[in-house]
Amino acid sequence: DTAVSQTPKYLVTQMGNDKSIKCEQNLGHDTMYWYKQDSKKFLKIMFSYNNKELIINETVPNRFSPKSPDKAHLNLHINSLELGDSAVYFCASSQNSGANTDTQYFGPGTRLTVL
Amino acid sequence: KNEVEQSPQNLTAQEGEFITINCSYSVGISALHWLQQHPGGGIVSLFMLSSGKKKHGRLIATINIQEKHSSLHITASHPRDSAVYICATNNDMRFGAGTRLTVKP
Repeated sequence: DTAVSQTPKYLVTQMGNDKSIKCEQNLGHDTMYWYKQDSKKFLKIMFSYNNKELIINETVPNRFSPKSPDKAHLNLHINSLELGDSAVYFCASSQNSGANTDTQYFGPGTRLTVL
Repeated sequence: KNEVEQSPQNLTAQEGEFITINCSYSVGISALHWLQQHPGGGIVSLFMLSSGKKKHGRLIATINIQEKHSSLHITASHPRDSAVYICATNNDMRFGAGTRLTVKP
């Protein structure tokens, strides 16, 4: 079984649409993250959740909203998609702590292309 | 200027060579992550260290928290080590731009 899974793997959509990316971890971890990797391959954190509570909320447009229905899931909803949202989005999880001092396990990534 | 700087940006080595990748940061942290991103895009955590040295197989990571510097070493490099190596600080998870390593047979 995959430890951290994301769906879909690829997402191609038109500008202005609303889309969601799902993330699930079966490791029993308390903390989950969303990262964005841009076209220059630079990684940036978007959000982190610890036990369903928002810990890190970087300066991302409010068109991006994370939703954590339970500890094992952290979904990313994006409204009114823009060309600049095209990137690879990675979900990750770690054992615990908002201090980010535990090993993180990454999902395979979702490549989002906005046309 | 990025809070986390890596050098070199690109590194090409011959199989068997000893590799060193450096990471410097400007903020106070309690721990640093080293990640490996495979050519296919997958990301794997290699180390999380807060002091001293850690070793895993042919990989060694060292950190000096006071000097705000960490190094990743690869001994007896192999073509399968070809990847992008990324360091990240634990506070607010700031990433370096990555070092692209190519090991030629």
